[in-house]
Amino acid sequence: GAGVSQSPRYKVAKRGQDVALRCDPISGHVSLFWYQQALGQGPEFLTYFQNEAQLDKSGLPSDRFFAERPEGSVSTLKIQRTQQEDSAVYLCASSIGPHNSEQYFGPGTRLTVT
Amino acid sequence: KNEVEQSPQNLTAQEGEFITINCSYSVGISALHWLQQHPGGGIVSLFMLSSGKKKHGRLIATINIQEKHSSLHITASHPRDSAVYICAVKRRSGGSNYKLTFGKGTLLTVNP
Repeated sequence: GAGVSQSPRYKVAKRGQDVALRCDPISGHVSLFWYQQALGQGPEFLTYFQNEAQLDKSGLPSDRFFAERPEGSVSTLKIQRTQQEDSAVYLCASSIGPHNSEQYFGPGTRLTVT
Repeated sequence: KNEVEQSPQNLTAQEGEFITINCSYSVGISALHWLQQHPGGGIVSLFMLSSGKKKHGRLIATINIQEKHSSLHITASHPRDSAVYICAVKRRSGGSNYKLTFGKGTLLTVNP
């Protein structure tokens, strides 16, 4: 079956532009996670959804970052007024449940802010 | 100090060599994951373990809960094993026991 997909795979934005990154989780997966991975670093947690509810957004670096999952399936991570420090790979992962379930990762979106 | 530390950061090996990557963590965990990330690619889960040892093909993962340490071994390494290997842990308790905390990764290069 299809895995987690993300689009676009690559995005170049000029500083100050808004961007929207999409994640299609595995069908039926309740939990969805967004992570940010800076160059040469491990991923860092951004936010977590259980169905359509955003249960944890403690990792979002600023109020320019906003995520939603309105129907409990597809999720969008939006970054407003992008800054150079937002350049990173944004990874989405989904799992059947939140706690002891394996997370399946998408290919990521590489965002470059110029 | 990071909650998850990996060593070495970089590792170069010759094809056929036995490889070990180490991961130490400082919190109580419910599970530890070993992940593989190819350049430009997404992350693939290799193992999820909470005790003992798991084996899949040429890959072996072990964990010692008392010592808060895990190792990933690759036997008979091959150039296609070249990738970044990342250790990640899920906390055992507390309100955030669903999120993963990652190490910085180990860049493995296997030369032919």
